[in-house]
Amino acid sequence: QQQVKQSPQSLIVQKGGISIINCAYENTAFDYFPWYQQFPGKGPALLIAIRPDVSEKKEGRFTISFNKSAKQFSLHIMDSQPGDSATYFCAAASGGYQKVTFGIGTKLQVIP
Amino acid sequence: DTGVSQDPRHKITKRGQNVTFRCDPISEHNRLYWYRQTLGQGPEFLTYFQNEAQLEKSRLLSDRFSAERPKGSFSTLEIQRTEQGDSAMYLCASSLVSGGGYSNQPQHFGDGTRLSIL
Repeated sequence: QQQVKQSPQSLIVQKGGISIINCAYENTAFDYFPWYQQFPGKGPALLIAIRPDVSEKKEGRFTISFNKSAKQFSLHIMDSQPGDSATYFCAAASGGYQKVTFGIGTKLQVIP
Repeated sequence: DTGVSQDPRHKITKRGQNVTFRCDPISEHNRLYWYRQTLGQGPEFLTYFQNEAQLEKSRLLSDRFSAERPKGSFSTLEIQRTEQGDSAMYLCASSLVSGGGYSNQPQHFGDGTRLSIL
C-alpha cells in the first residue's frame, strides 16, 4: 500500500520555468511533510518541510503548498535551473518522526 | 566532513554470502535509521535505534537481516545468505531527539552502500 502518492514520475522543464510536483497521502496521523532532493550516487538531502498547521512555506525558490482537507501537498520550484536537475521525493512522518514514508520520486530535468 | 558516513560505498558479492555495512552517524545524534532504496523507488524504512536500543523494525527486515548499535554510536547492518532481491542501496540516517521523545529534527542521510548480488 503506497501511503504517499507522488506525480509525475518524470518532469522536463525549461530553464527559468516553474517545476511542480504533487503528492497525496492517506494517513491522517502524518504531521510532518518533508521534501528531499537526491542527486545520482548521493543520499537524499532535506530541501524544505512543512507541518499541517500552515498552508504554505517558502524558502528561496522552493515553495510547499499544503491542503489538509484534500490531504495533498505540492512543491513548486520557481525559476528552475539546470542545477536543480535531480530526483525529488515527497515524504511524510508522524508522531515522534521515527520513520519517514517516501513517495516514489520525481526525476526532474531542467533544460537550458 | 561531519555528516553521516557509510562504509563501504559499494559491495559486490555472490548470492548466499553474508555482508555487513557500517554507519557512523553525526556525532551528537542519538537516533539512527536504516532504509533501503531500490532503483526508481523512494527509500523504505527498515529499522531505527534510539541510542543502543532498537525500537522498531519493518516487516521488510526479514530474519536474514540484523542491525546493531552496540554503544549507541556507530551501527552495523548484516545480511546473511544474500539473495538477488537484496540488491539495493542501503541508506543510513541520523537525527537528534529532543526531550520527551518527540523529535522535530530532520533526518540526515548518508550517501549509502550500494549492494549488488551476482
